[in-house]
Amino acid sequence: AQSVTQPDIHITVSEGASLELRCNYSYGATPYLFWYVQSPGQGLQLLLKYFSGDTLVQGIKGFEAEFKRSQSSFNLRKPSVHWSDAAEYFCAVGAWYGGSQGNLIFGKGTKLSVKP
Amino acid sequence: EADIYQTPRYLVIGTGKKITLECSQTMGHDKMYWYQQDPGMELHLIHYSYGVNSTEKGDLSSESTVSRIRTEHFPLTLESARPSHTSQYLCASSESSGRAGELFFGEGSRLTVL
Repeated sequence: AQSVTQPDIHITVSEGASLELRCNYSYGATPYLFWYVQSPGQGLQLLLKYFSGDTLVQGIKGFEAEFKRSQSSFNLRKPSVHWSDAAEYFCAVGAWYGGSQGNLIFGKGTKLSVKP
Repeated sequence: EADIYQTPRYLVIGTGKKITLECSQTMGHDKMYWYQQDPGMELHLIHYSYGVNSTEKGDLSSESTVSRIRTEHFPLTLESARPSHTSQYLCASSESSGRAGELFFGEGSRLTVL
């Protein structure tokens, strides 16, 4: 069965420091991978997605993620964190079944705190 | 900016009451979803619809029901609310395409049942 693991429940970084949020997935077919961000009291917003092609994808707000098939990972990175990046981040995996659409599976999320 | 709206944003009700959470989208998306979100847990899919008059149960069993009479509207109903239904409910939609994902989310409805 497909699954998504986000090993870090809560991460705190200093403003201006670099960030990496980890995501590992388990899926037999070619996955489609996503990162979403959720600010307090809000819904989820898509940060970036990987379907195929270049394994390094760029997203909004200066985020990027790299798909590594050999490690079943899709880690999210940002070179310099801003205080407004404090939020919860969700990794998700989906799939194309060739005739029907698979629904997304989400990880448990990683809460990011940013200290001044 | 996603054009998907949920009402109410917050609701506190007593046990046994019937409630309906509204969800509307103006993007013309065929696919719509309801997720349940609890702190520290994955988002769990409880219902989805791939078009008008099409509804399916998701991965997480739920006592709620849904309907899809119009493309833009996907309400969720609890006939008799219980404290175990206390949670945040997120509505989402996506285009009809071969790819899974690219969900657009509403801001959520936080339900508290006393």
